[in-house]
Amino acid sequence: DQQVKQNSPSLSVQEGRISILNCDYTNSMFDYFLWYKKYPAEGPTFLISISSIKDKNEDGRFTVFLNKSAKHLSLHIVPSQPGDSAVYFCAARGINNAGNMLTFGGGTRLMVKP
Amino acid sequence: EAQVTQNPRYLITVTGKKLTVTCSQNMNHEYMSWYRQDPGLGLRQIYYSMNVEVTDKGDVPEGYKVSRKEKRNFPLILESPSPNQTSLYFCASRSPGNYGYTFGSGTRLTVV
Repeated sequence: DQQVKQNSPSLSVQEGRISILNCDYTNSMFDYFLWYKKYPAEGPTFLISISSIKDKNEDGRFTVFLNKSAKHLSLHIVPSQPGDSAVYFCAARGINNAGNMLTFGGGTRLMVKP
Repeated sequence: EAQVTQNPRYLITVTGKKLTVTCSQNMNHEYMSWYRQDPGLGLRQIYYSMNVEVTDKGDVPEGYKVSRKEKRNFPLILESPSPNQTSLYFCASRSPGNYGYTFGSGTRLTVV
């Protein structure tokens, strides 16, 4: 059973609008969450992260929101640009491991149309 | 340039023929890890290593071996590959104080 789920396999957004990518998790022991971005034929690259003691973290156009009671996090991209078109993975780390076990969601393909 | 280098990028092999995918990082990272990516399943951890001669199983270790004889290298070994190991493989590394892994560009393996 997947502990981290991204229920939308794809998302299409117009350039300049907001992109919202969602991620749900089931394990209450997760204490740190990350978003990765992946272009075709490249490895994932780290985008932004959030600790479970926070509910929001911002970095330029990217903001991650964490709702611990709902076990839900989301990535907001504002404004969306065509170069943001990629697959986005959310990942979570458990409290009781050495940090090597990142559990990933299945990914959401974002397409930003000019 | 700080990077994780995997080789080969693409590999087609036959069932049962032993193969090794190499991984090297130039960032002096202690932690290294192997993941496989399959459609709808995201990235699943195969093995990880916290330092030289220290390795442990991830979520899906069956059919794989690893070794960590030097800090910079972390090869993935498939002793007897099977078609269900057809996948996209990523090597990654990080330092202890940083939760974000740096990933290699991937190795697309096809076992026929």
